[in-house]
Amino acid sequence: NAGVTQTPKFQVLKTGQSMTLQCAQDMNHNSMYWYRQDPGMGLRLIYYSASEGTTDKGEVPNGYNVSRLNKREFSLRLESAAPSQTSVYFCASSDRGTGPSGNYGYTFGSGTRLTVV
Amino acid sequence: QKEVEQNSGPLSVPEGAIASLNCTYSDRGSQSFFWYRQYSGKSPELIMSIYSNGDKEDGRFTAQLNKASQYVSLLIRDSQPSDSATYLCAGGGTGGFKTIFGAGTRLFVKA
Repeated sequence: NAGVTQTPKFQVLKTGQSMTLQCAQDMNHNSMYWYRQDPGMGLRLIYYSASEGTTDKGEVPNGYNVSRLNKREFSLRLESAAPSQTSVYFCASSDRGTGPSGNYGYTFGSGTRLTVV
Repeated sequence: QKEVEQNSGPLSVPEGAIASLNCTYSDRGSQSFFWYRQYSGKSPELIMSIYSNGDKEDGRFTAQLNKASQYVSLLIRDSQPSDSATYLCAGGGTGGFKTIFGAGTRLFVKA
């Protein structure tokens, strides 16, 4: 049971280059998320997909695009990388129900450490 | 701006002691709260969830929620060196699509 798998684990880009971060989960979760983590700032939501076929912006979507390819896969694309996008990127997934306990918490992937020079 | 605030630490406790981690949140609409543990260079791991006022215990961990005070805490009993990590507090609404994370408290357990 792999959980949430992210690729690549490390990447160095030059300013202006593009790349796609891949994420796949095998837990049959409906919802998937992309976060970035910067020192002292915690995890910030970039985009999320509540269910297959839907995507929505989070707190810091500028400079990013996403694709929910199917229920398992959710990719994050940087069209023109900037040094401000140097960060650790985490993909996560969750199942959900209804009512206050409908948020069951997230399972995170191992992360992608991206440096833009 | 919805926020979750944590003391960044480091919080240092001796082995075997109780570690107390605290968190406050600004969004009164938050209905679900979580504690994640993150070892250095690793991804966050869910360790506790709590939805109702009061205490919830799971092994050595106890989560406490006080919605009137907008306060969440995590107690770790019989702390072990392996508990040394950063603990992230998070809060979200139903469905959890916009869960907000605190910046984390770093815990160091001295052997």
